[in-house]
Amino acid sequence: DAGVTQSPTHLIKTRGQQVTLRCSPKSGHDTVSWYQQALGQGPQFIFQYYEEEERQRGNFPDRFSGHQFPNYSSELNVNALLLGDSALYLCASSLGFYRGTQYFGPGTRLLVL
Amino acid sequence: AQSVTQLDSQVPVFEEAPVELRCNYSSSVSVYLFWYVQYPNQGLQLLLKYLSGSTLVESINGFEAEFNKSQTSFHLRKPSVHISDTAEYFCAVSASAGGTSYGKLTFGQGTILTVHP
Repeated sequence: DAGVTQSPTHLIKTRGQQVTLRCSPKSGHDTVSWYQQALGQGPQFIFQYYEEEERQRGNFPDRFSGHQFPNYSSELNVNALLLGDSALYLCASSLGFYRGTQYFGPGTRLLVL
Repeated sequence: AQSVTQLDSQVPVFEEAPVELRCNYSSSVSVYLFWYVQYPNQGLQLLLKYLSGSTLVESINGFEAEFNKSQTSFHLRKPSVHISDTAEYFCAVSASAGGTSYGKLTFGQGTILTVHP
């Protein structure tokens, strides 16, 4: 049973560029949440997708956007990258958008130069 | 909204000694509580969770945590630690019903547990 997978594992971008991160949920899960973990910090909630719609959003600017596909996989897009966007981006999947226990993938480490 | 405070940023301990990692939370609604563990350069792994029922929950590798509603705490304990328990531990909370925090996890800042031989 495959767990949550994310790609790529590492990414280096320069300021102003755009980036797309991808996530495949655990088998049987229908909800995907994205978190940003800066170095030395706890993860911060970005947003959550269920039935291909954004259901919850944290305190992140509109530069952060996402998408969920019919097969429940998801993408996180970040436009106009800033140095401060350098972080580990974690995807979590669950069954049901408000009550499911969230299981995390290995993350994508983004470095913005 | 919820908030989580992990009272110790680092906890050093010797192998086979007991350990307690402290977590306090604040919430205006009922909550679910979680402990996740993160090994270096990896994602988060669910260690244990409290959803309802017995306030004492256990993991398969010997950790336990007790939900104390009056103290708003969910401390993590292990009676005898191993070198392999060295990792960062995160306490997290989510609203159990309704409100703008429904469905999202709010994490503490993490506690780095270092087990020395």
